[in-house]
Amino acid sequence: NAGVTQTPKFRILKIGQSMTLQCAQDMNHNYMYWYRQDPGMGLKLIYYSVGAGITDKGEVPNGYNVSRSTTEDFPLRLELAAPSQTSVYFCASSYGAGISGYTFGSGTRLTVV
Amino acid sequence: QKEVEQNSGPLSVPEGAIASLNCTYSDRGSQSFFWYRQYSGKSPELIMSIYSNGDKEDGRFTAQLNKASQYVSLLIRDSQPSDSATYLCAVKPPGGGADGLTFGKGTHLIIQP
Repeated sequence: NAGVTQTPKFRILKIGQSMTLQCAQDMNHNYMYWYRQDPGMGLKLIYYSVGAGITDKGEVPNGYNVSRSTTEDFPLRLELAAPSQTSVYFCASSYGAGISGYTFGSGTRLTVV
Repeated sequence: QKEVEQNSGPLSVPEGAIASLNCTYSDRGSQSFFWYRQYSGKSPELIMSIYSNGDKEDGRFTAQLNKASQYVSLLIRDSQPSDSATYLCAVKPPGGGADGLTFGKGTHLIIQP
């Protein structure tokens, strides 16, 4: 049982480049989330989805976009990368809106130079 | 405004002693509470969940919840060096919001051999 799979694990981007962070889960969870984690700043919600075709903004959505075409996949798109987007990105999924906790992916460490 | 507060530490505890981690939350009426352990460079891992006032024990871990005082704590008995990590408190705010959990910034725990 793979749980939540994120790719890539590491990436270096140049300012202005774009990329997609992939996230897939095999637990048939309807709820999926993208967080970023900066040192000393905790986890901040970027976007979330309550099911295929339904997404909504979290606390820090600027500079990001998401889509949810299937229950399994929830990719995060970075357009025009900026140094402020240097962070560790975690995808998570849950049964219900977090009522039983999240399962996290292993994370993507992104550096924008 | 949803807030979850934790002392950032570091909290240093001798091996074999009891480590006590505390968390307060602002949203009265919150129903679900979680403790995650995060090793350096790794993703958060769910170790305890608690939903009712009182204590919940799982092996060396005990979660304590006091809704009237709006705090939740985690006790780790017989602390081991492998318990050294950052511990994140997470709360599911009241209502049917789909935006999931609110996380504290975490407490860095160091178990001294």
